[in-house]
Amino acid sequence: DGGITQSPKYLFRKEGQNVTLSCEQNLNHDAMYWYRQDPGQGLRLIYYSQIVNDFQKGDIAEGYSVSREKKESFPLTVTSAQKNPTAFYLCASSTLRAGTVIADQPQHFGDGTRLSIL
Amino acid sequence: KQEVTQIPAALSVPEGENLVLNCSFTDSAIYNLQWFRQDPGKGLTSLLLIQSSQREQTSGRLNASLDKSSGRSTLYIAASQPGDSATYLCAVRQDSGTYKYIFGTGTRLKVLA
Repeated sequence: DGGITQSPKYLFRKEGQNVTLSCEQNLNHDAMYWYRQDPGQGLRLIYYSQIVNDFQKGDIAEGYSVSREKKESFPLTVTSAQKNPTAFYLCASSTLRAGTVIADQPQHFGDGTRLSIL
Repeated sequence: KQEVTQIPAALSVPEGENLVLNCSFTDSAIYNLQWFRQDPGKGLTSLLLIQSSQREQTSGRLNASLDKSSGRSTLYIAASQPGDSATYLCAVRQDSGTYKYIFGTGTRLKVLA
């Protein structure tokens, strides 16, 4: 079954620790995204990547880092510099093509990782 | 800077009622707009995507309209059911040069049996 897999589902971070959230997709999508969702707020973009070995900062990139070494994978590291990391993290992917049609296709989302501070 | 607003933040309706959810955006120069559904503790599921050249999209009991000039989109849900209870979010993609989407804060819908 094609889709996006995020792991782990729950993650706890100790003070001063870096943690990495995994996101894997088997949809052959070009673009991948990381969002942060806080209670009562919409999704805010952390980083996104349109092709392998390239990524751009979103609106709240400080304290986060990413890599895109493979098309299928887009891991997010929450560093110790992120002072308020408690949130629900969502990974998404999308593609620009549907057969020969060049037009946006819907974003597909994983089930999220809930990160808390110990 | 593009801002996306959804009002109301929460809505309760009896089963069977037709309802409209609203999405407003400040910059009308968008590339497309998507409506999503989010169940508690889960990711988002795309419901409808409207390209900037389109006026509406339909899927089953859902109909989404887009009026770029007024900066508004509506999601119409016909004959609501308890299973429609969820948070509904809209998101706009600003232009063709970037894949970046900007999300609204969502409307939490509860359909009462």
